[in-house]
Parts: sequence; structure tokens; C-alpha cells
Amino acid sequence: ETGVTQSPTHLIKTRGQQVTLRCSSQSGHNTVSWYQQALGQGPQFIFQYYREEENGRGNFPPRFSGLQFPNYSSELNVNALELDDSALYLCASSSTSGRVDEQYFGPGTRLTVT
Amino acid sequence: QKEVEQDPGPLSVPEGAIVSLNCTYSNSAFQYFMWYRQYSRKGPELLMYTYSSGNKEDGRFTAQVDKSSKYISLFIRDSQPSDSATYLCAIPNNNDMRFGAGTRLTVKP
Repeated sequence: ETGVTQSPTHLIKTRGQQVTLRCSSQSGHNTVSWYQQALGQGPQFIFQYYREEENGRGNFPPRFSGLQFPNYSSELNVNALELDDSALYLCASSSTSGRVDEQYFGPGTRLTVT
Repeated sequence: QKEVEQDPGPLSVPEGAIVSLNCTYSNSAFQYFMWYRQYSRKGPELLMYTYSSGNKEDGRFTAQVDKSSKYISLFIRDSQPSDSATYLCAIPNNNDMRFGAGTRLTVKP
């Protein structure tokens, strides 16, 4: 088990609503990345936060936003939910060592939009 | 063309079989090649990775990279029911990891 935790485990929202997902990084890690994994697909990069600033973004619209807190925990916010936002949302924490093997994923939050 | 392509399967094999999982990629500048395993209702966990071309072995698992054909493979020897999972190839690119679609593997007792 990694030290990365996510909450909630799963939730159901209605189209048009807003949602906040939370991630607690592994101890010693100051960088967090968020991914969206649709059913039957690989994870897709949403964005990364380093020292509370966005540090890279994938091909996702602005209604996907994030925050990183001084304790390096993080939130993913999605506004105006669409049916296609239904997916597993993964966060991954890492350090700034640059080592490719030091990114650890949490168990994910399963979001269903109806 | 996607940067990383992977046949999603599913793949079903009997226990003890040799499993071959494969991906192709498009960018010849990529240097690191990762394999993740994802059990149902879990996040991906790093299985192994290789740098540049060649083979890397770890127990029953062997990762292979052929940069000339932009082809990466993962072989599982003596497959076990506990190997049943989705296997994702991935390539780090600056701040993000580019994943294939994942191949769902079932090893039947």
C-alpha cells in the first residue's frame, strides 16, 4: 500500500453540479498529479501541482481546477459536471528527485455523473 | 495517432502460461518505459521500468524495449491467478505520464 489516500471512495453527482475530490500525499512528497481514468482506458493527465502552484496541465477544460495546500494535500474541483466526467480520478504524489519510479498512486475516487 | 498504443484485450490464459503484453509508441525521444499493474478498484502500482533499449528482468517478469521499432513488451513467466489485473504501459513525458489503454489479463487456475 502507498501512503497516498483519497476521499471519498466513490460518489454520485448530477449533471451540472460541482464536485471536490481530495488527496493526501505520501510523507515527504511535495508534488501531486491528478489523472482521469475512464472505464476501459488508461489514466489521462489532468494537471500537476508543485509548491501550491499549477505546474503543467493536460488537455482538460478550465472547469477542472485544483488546489494544493501547505501540507501538500490537494483538491480537484470539477464544475458544471457532464456525463463524460464519469471516471476514476487518481492522484499521484512524488518528490522533486526526478526519479521516474517515485510516483505513487492513490486508490482513486470513482465519480458517477447521472 | 496516440502517443502510446496498447491492445486492451481482454487476455485470458491458463495458469503457468507465458504472457506477452505489448505497446507501441510514437515519439523516438522517449527514454523511460514503465509498466504498471492495476488491480480492480485500486490505483496503478509500478511493476518495473527500463531505460532506453534492452531487457530488464525481475523474478517472473521481463520488460523489453526495442527503440528501433518503438515497441515495448512485458513478459510474465509461469503466470499465476494472482497476476490477474490490468497492465498499463506508460512513458513519462515532462510532468505527466502517458499511459496506454491497459490490457486486462485473467489467469485461470
